[in-house]
Amino acid sequence: AQSVTQLDSQVPVFEEAPVELRCNYSSSVSVYLFWYVQYPNQGLQLLLKYLSGSTLVESINGFEAEFNKSQTSFHLRKPSVHISDTAEYFCAVSDRGAQKLVFGQGTRLTINP
Amino acid sequence: NAGVMQNPRHLVRRRGQEARLRCSPMKGHSHVYWYRQLPEEGLKFMVYLQKENIIDESGMPKERFSAEFPKEGPSILRIQQVVRGDSAAYFCASSPIGTGVEETQYFGPGTRLLVL
Repeated sequence: AQSVTQLDSQVPVFEEAPVELRCNYSSSVSVYLFWYVQYPNQGLQLLLKYLSGSTLVESINGFEAEFNKSQTSFHLRKPSVHISDTAEYFCAVSDRGAQKLVFGQGTRLTINP
Repeated sequence: NAGVMQNPRHLVRRRGQEARLRCSPMKGHSHVYWYRQLPEEGLKFMVYLQKENIIDESGMPKERFSAEFPKEGPSILRIQQVVRGDSAAYFCASSPIGTGVEETQYFGPGTRLLVL
C-alpha cells in the first residue's frame, strides 16, 4: 500500500530565508503528487500538483516542487519565505486510477521575524 | 462559486451519542470524499461517494460509521455510539468528475468532533 513520509514534523525558519519541506512516498508506480497547505483553523488548500509532464511544478505564491522518480520524492521549496507562509503543509499521493489520497503526517512551517 | 461547505464546524458529543456531519460539495461536483485527521496525524481516507452510491469505503471503520450521499441534499457522515477515540477533525472534499485523481479534490473547512 502507498505511504507518504514527511521527514520533518516542524520547520522553523527566519523570514526571507529559503525553505525545503521534504516528502517521500513508498511506491514507484505511476502516481499523482500534491502539496496542500492548511492555515490555522481552516481546511486544506491545494498548493500545487504533479500529474504528468514537467517534473518541476510551481504555485502562484512562489512555492515549487520537483518530482524525482528515482528517489520517490516530491520536496517543496521556496527561495524566500514570508510570515504569511506560516501553516501546516501536507504532501499527498495517489496511485493513478485510484481516487483516494494518501497523506503524510504534515510539516508545521513556522516563520520567525 | 462557494467552496465545499461543512457543518457544524465544531461538534461536542458525550460517549454513546450519535454524531452527524454534513458536507455540501462545490457546485457542479458530484463526487465526495471523507477524510479523518486524528490529533498530530495526517489525514486518512475514509470513504468515496457519488450520488446515491458508495464507491470505495476501504477506510471506514467496520462498525458505527456510515456515509451517504443522497440524490438531493448534502453528504452525511454518521457516527453512532461515539467513543473518545472518535475525537478528530473530519474533512470532506469534492471533485467534479472523480474518474481519476487528476480531477483535483477541494477540501472543506472540516468538522472538529470532541467526544467527552
